[in-house]
Amino acid sequence: TQLLEQSPQFLSIQEGENLTVYCNSSSVFSSLQWYRQEPGEGPVLLVTVVTGGEVKKLKRLTFQFGDARKDSSLHITAAQPGDTGLYLCAGALGNNNDMRFGAGTRLTVKP
Amino acid sequence: NAGVMQNPRHLVRRRGQEARLRCSPMKGHSHVYWYRQLPEEGLKFMVYLQKENIIDESGMPKERFSAEFPKEGPSILRIQQVVRGDSAAYFCASSPYNGGYSPLHFGNGTRLTVT
Repeated sequence: TQLLEQSPQFLSIQEGENLTVYCNSSSVFSSLQWYRQEPGEGPVLLVTVVTGGEVKKLKRLTFQFGDARKDSSLHITAAQPGDTGLYLCAGALGNNNDMRFGAGTRLTVKP
Repeated sequence: NAGVMQNPRHLVRRRGQEARLRCSPMKGHSHVYWYRQLPEEGLKFMVYLQKENIIDESGMPKERFSAEFPKEGPSILRIQQVVRGDSAAYFCASSPYNGGYSPLHFGNGTRLTVT
């Protein structure tokens, strides 16, 4: 059983479309991070959210942390082929930065 | 500032041999994490270490697997008597954690193939 459930598992869309991916859990996290991973490389941090209800924007990416700090979403506006990759959410257990990852959403944006 | 360095990048071992995976954290980072990834899957937690101390090893099999992060030198993930099921990409991450939360900085992984 995954501590963090990500959905959808796979997503294939056309360039220019909008999309939202989700990260859900029954556990409360002290912080939650989103990473993107490309083939053959390690994940790279996109954002950290800490406060319940927090919304952060990174160009065309909007991240939201649920009020109860159990879930998060990532919305991409006008997706581009360069957004293709594996999007992973990770939550910190307790207060010692013990990080757990979801299984990821594999996004493909077709030109 | 050099990133997290993992070596080797690729490692091939025959069944029964030992695999040693090395991870040099970013300068100034005192915490190291090891994760395992199978193709088309996410990162599965294995172990979380601070220098000379294991913080959480709940994701690491009790037999054949061990990890250390000595005062000097890289962190080592050691797999004894490897089996085909150990074939995977193993990622190391480091953080400067000093209370609160800190992002993880990942290396590019070691791809272990057991033949």
